[in-house]
Amino acid sequence: QSVLTQPPSVSGAPGQRVTISCTGSSSNVGAGYDVHWYQQLPGTAPKLLIFGNNNRPSGVPDRFSGSKSGTSASLAITGLQAEDEADYFCQSYDSSLSTYVFGTGTKVTVL
Amino acid sequence: QVQLQQSGPGLVKPSQTLSLTCAISGDSVSSNDAAWNWIRQSPSRGLEWLGRTFYRSEWYRDYAVSVKSRITINPQTSMNQVSLHLTSVIPEDTAVYYCAREPRNDYGVFFDNWGQGIRVTVSS
Repeated sequence: QSVLTQPPSVSGAPGQRVTISCTGSSSNVGAGYDVHWYQQLPGTAPKLLIFGNNNRPSGVPDRFSGSKSGTSASLAITGLQAEDEADYFCQSYDSSLSTYVFGTGTKVTVL
Repeated sequence: QVQLQQSGPGLVKPSQTLSLTCAISGDSVSSNDAAWNWIRQSPSRGLEWLGRTFYRSEWYRDYAVSVKSRITINPQTSMNQVSLHLTSVIPEDTAVYYCAREPRNDYGVFFDNWGQGIRVTVSS
């Protein structure tokens, strides 16, 4: 039901770089609304990872970075570590639905 | 350090009211620089924003259209907590419910602190 589409899974070896896409439309990401990213470790609540497309809260390693272009946004993880194995969600606002929306989620596996 | 501690029942019967509480420490429910949200997560619906309350000289509430007729979010200032009430629940309301803090900022709405989550099952 989500209007923000993410790949179900991505994987990489330790030390590699992985990217997660978040594809929206002209009523959300494409309308200029900011995109935010969350990391959810198994059995825990989501944790804010990136806000305002490309800003990291204090304490978040600079291995995590965000970008946005057109109707899509991306989260990049460089120097992949075992502790990065988690689910990742993007989030924005949709003007057609008049609500805050989350992505479908992506499971990152460290090989 | 903001901490959100949730409480409430894990099992609710169909047609009854789901009631949860989120106790806030390290911030104030009456802060002019925050809003207090409820979000739920289920395998079928993913993460779903339900609504929020915030204080800007008076109290405001916003609710998701999908639950607007059934939801009430109230601040409880004396206890520094926020409550969620969802009436006439159905099995599809089964989910993990989170409270989350939204900081006032220049980057739109996002959630920088989350409660631990409560798994609520709607079943007779």
